[in-house]
Parts: sequence; structure tokens; C-alpha cells
Amino acid sequence: AQTVTQSQPEMSVQEAETVTLSCTYDTSESDYYLFWYKQPPSRQMILVIRQEAYKQQNATENRFSVNFQKAAKSFSLKISDSQLGDAAMYFCAYRSDKTGANNLFFGTGTRLTVIP
Amino acid sequence: EAGVTQSPTHLIKTRGQQATLRCSPISGHTSVYWYQQALGLGLQFLLWYDEGEERNRGNFPPRFSGRQFPNYSSELNVNALELEDSALYLCASSLASFGTDTQYFGPGTRLTVL
Repeated sequence: AQTVTQSQPEMSVQEAETVTLSCTYDTSESDYYLFWYKQPPSRQMILVIRQEAYKQQNATENRFSVNFQKAAKSFSLKISDSQLGDAAMYFCAYRSDKTGANNLFFGTGTRLTVIP
Repeated sequence: EAGVTQSPTHLIKTRGQQATLRCSPISGHTSVYWYQQALGLGLQFLLWYDEGEERNRGNFPPRFSGRQFPNYSSELNVNALELEDSALYLCASSLASFGTDTQYFGPGTRLTVL
């Protein structure tokens, strides 16, 4: 089974600064999808960004970008110009491209605190 | 457009009872997924339904079951509740069962087993 590792249980960042959250994964597959989800105290899991493994270009969504290193099986999330609303648990997730294997495998999460 | 909705928000049961959790997917979405988020165990995949059929299940005992209705809404049933079933249960939906499709989550149901 695929495993997803987030080695930083907690991170903090000053408002307006940049922070990078780490994620590594283990898989023998060549085609898959990677996601970052955000879970604020309201509990709603919100999609932040997704990356297809076949794409070499790193995904970007406004202030959020990823550094996808396929050979190293690394998928870090960079948050630029951090805002108070970015404070949340961030989960890295993996999804296979195999038919019938649509479920997500999640890491244990990183709690991000934004300091005013 | 309405997102994924779940009911109830909170559910309190005693050990041995049965719990029923409900999920309505985003309009047009045919796939529904259930995940358990328990303290110390992270998010774990429970069940996946698509077009009314169970397509896959995670490593959970048979007392976790569910179904998907013709309107694509879904129920998760947990029988013979145990204390360790206390968790946040998240439902997600996707447009189709393709690997390319993204799952969107509901706000969850907090189940407490006393």
C-alpha cells in the first residue's frame, strides 16, 4: 500500500512570510495524483492544490505552489505571503491512477500557525 | 452551487447501538467516498460508491457498511458500535470514477460512542 509521510507535525510562520510544508510518499506506480488539502478548525477539508505525476511543471494556485520531485518522491507545498486565514491542518494525499483504486491515502498532517 | 452536505453534524450513541450517517454529493457527482478521521489514526479510507455500487472498501470490519441511492446520496451504517468508532466521518464526492477526478469533502459528522 502507498504511504504518505509528513514529517513536520507543526509549523509556524509570520504573517506575510513564506512557509514550506514537506511531504514524501512511497509508491511503485508511475502514474498517480498528489493533493494538498487544508482543514481549518471548522473541519471542512478544502482542496488547496493538485498535481498529476505525468506533468513535469509544478502546479500553482495563487499564493500556493508545489515543488514536485518525482524521482525523490517528494511533494512540498509553499505558501507565499501567508495570511491569518491560512492557519489550519494541512494534509498531503496520494491517489493511484489504477482503475478501482480511487481512494486517497493521507499523511498525518501538519498544523500551521500564522503569527500576526 | 452547493457543496457536499452531511447530516447530522454530531451524533452521540452508546456502545452496541447502530449509527446512520448521511451524505449528499455535489450536484452531478456520481462517486461518493467515506473516510474516518480518528484521533491518533489520521484519515483512513472506508468505502467508495459509484453509480449505486460499492466499488472498494478499506480495511474496516463488516459492521461498517453503506449504500448509495439512485440520486447518488449515500448512507454509512455502523453496527454494534464500539468506543473506538468515535471519530469524525468525512464524506467526499467526485464527478466520476476516473482517476483524474478530484474529491471534494463535506463538513463531516462527529460520532461519539459512550
